[in-house]
Amino acid sequence: EVQLLQSGGGLVQPGGSLRLSCAVSGFTFSSYAMSWVRQAPGKGLEWVSEISGSGGSTKYADSVQGRFTVSRDNSRSTMYLHMNSLRAEDTSVYFCAKYHCSGSSCYYDYWGQGAQVTVSS
Amino acid sequence: QPALTQPASVSGSPGQSITISCTGTSSDVGAYNYVYWYQQHPGKAPKVIIYDVSNRPSGVSNRFSGSKSGNTAFLTISGLQAEDEGDYHCSSYTSSSTPLFGGGTKLTVL
Repeated sequence: EVQLLQSGGGLVQPGGSLRLSCAVSGFTFSSYAMSWVRQAPGKGLEWVSEISGSGGSTKYADSVQGRFTVSRDNSRSTMYLHMNSLRAEDTSVYFCAKYHCSGSSCYYDYWGQGAQVTVSS
Repeated sequence: QPALTQPASVSGSPGQSITISCTGTSSDVGAYNYVYWYQQHPGKAPKVIIYDVSNRPSGVSNRFSGSKSGNTAFLTISGLQAEDEGDYHCSSYTSSSTPLFGGGTKLTVL
């Protein structure tokens, strides 16, 4: 059974830092690209970042470029999101998600349970 | 890049059909047949119900169908059931090879 178990959310002051983790099981982690997707209160989904299966390629949304860093440890089947210089507008539920790709067609077939990140003084 | 445009809410009675639109541009929805729809129940993670505009993953009810015309994609739910109530999000592949989501649509089953 595929499982994505998230940890690391919480309350942080503006300008602070936080690290999210996504520990997976049930599939060969290193074979799949992974993403972070967030959802602000009452809003739609927003793609945040993604990382290739090897970890050698990463991408970021303009809104987090230079402040967030995605990484993965394939030996531990875990993906991370390091968030620095946090702002109030980063307040969201953050989901990790596994990509299912066939050529250029890619969608998320498994998701974590979500982690609340609240940025407030 | 602005989000894809979806109606904030739609509603229908049990047994009826509803359609949710998702409008993008010629750089995303209009350019590729890579439109996806996700269903999300309150407090839960999203679940894919349509991929590549009109395909259903295994296990998804055939009451869900997708289509596209120009820069707008559509999700149709036929034979509405109470369990269909929730939020629906569209997503499209973009020229930057990253996904772009819509603002989400809240479906209420009356």
